[in-house]
Amino acid sequence: GAGVSQTPSNKVTEKGKYVELRCDPISGHTALYWYRQSLGQGPEFLIYFQGTGAADDSGLPNDRFFAVRPEGSVSTLKIQRTERGDSAVYLCASSPTTNNEQFFGPGTRLTVL
Amino acid sequence: GNSVTQMEGPVTLSEEAFLTINCTYTATGYPSLFWYVQYPGEGLQLLLKATKADDKGSNKGFEATYRKETTSFHLEKGSVQVSDSAVYFCALKYGNKLVFGAGTILRVKS
Repeated sequence: GAGVSQTPSNKVTEKGKYVELRCDPISGHTALYWYRQSLGQGPEFLIYFQGTGAADDSGLPNDRFFAVRPEGSVSTLKIQRTERGDSAVYLCASSPTTNNEQFFGPGTRLTVL
Repeated sequence: GNSVTQMEGPVTLSEEAFLTINCTYTATGYPSLFWYVQYPGEGLQLLLKATKADDKGSNKGFEATYRKETTSFHLEKGSVQVSDSAVYFCALKYGNKLVFGAGTILRVKS
């Protein structure tokens, strides 16, 4: 079946602009996670949803970052006033419940010029 | 806090060589431990896991044993193949989130 999909695969933007990154989880998965992977590093947790609500947003670096999952399926990560330091690969993962394996998408590579 | 440290790469081996990638962790309590693999051009995939002390996870010829005494979860394979070339990440699960190491690049030459 279809895995986790993320769009766009690449996004280039200018400093100060607003961006939205989309994640389509595996159908039926109730838990959804966002991670950020900087060059040469492992993924770092940003936020996790159980259903429609953000159960843990402790990894969001500051208030420029926000994520939603209004219908408990697709999620959007929103970054305001982008900075060059936001350049990274943003990974989305989903799992059937919180105690199951997390399945990762291919990521969105964000470049802020 | 919770953290994972793994050996720096790249690790370059000849085909059929023995592989060890070291991983140690710091955690409160007894987390589940994982190895993820990222093949070129692909997303992260779970390779193996162990949920409690002395558990051995295994998959595709890779093994790792959860060692509470040494807080380690080293990845091993007896005979690597060119197709094993990838980036390997050790991780622990804290609450509902994964905490990853920095990754180790493995290059296998024929």
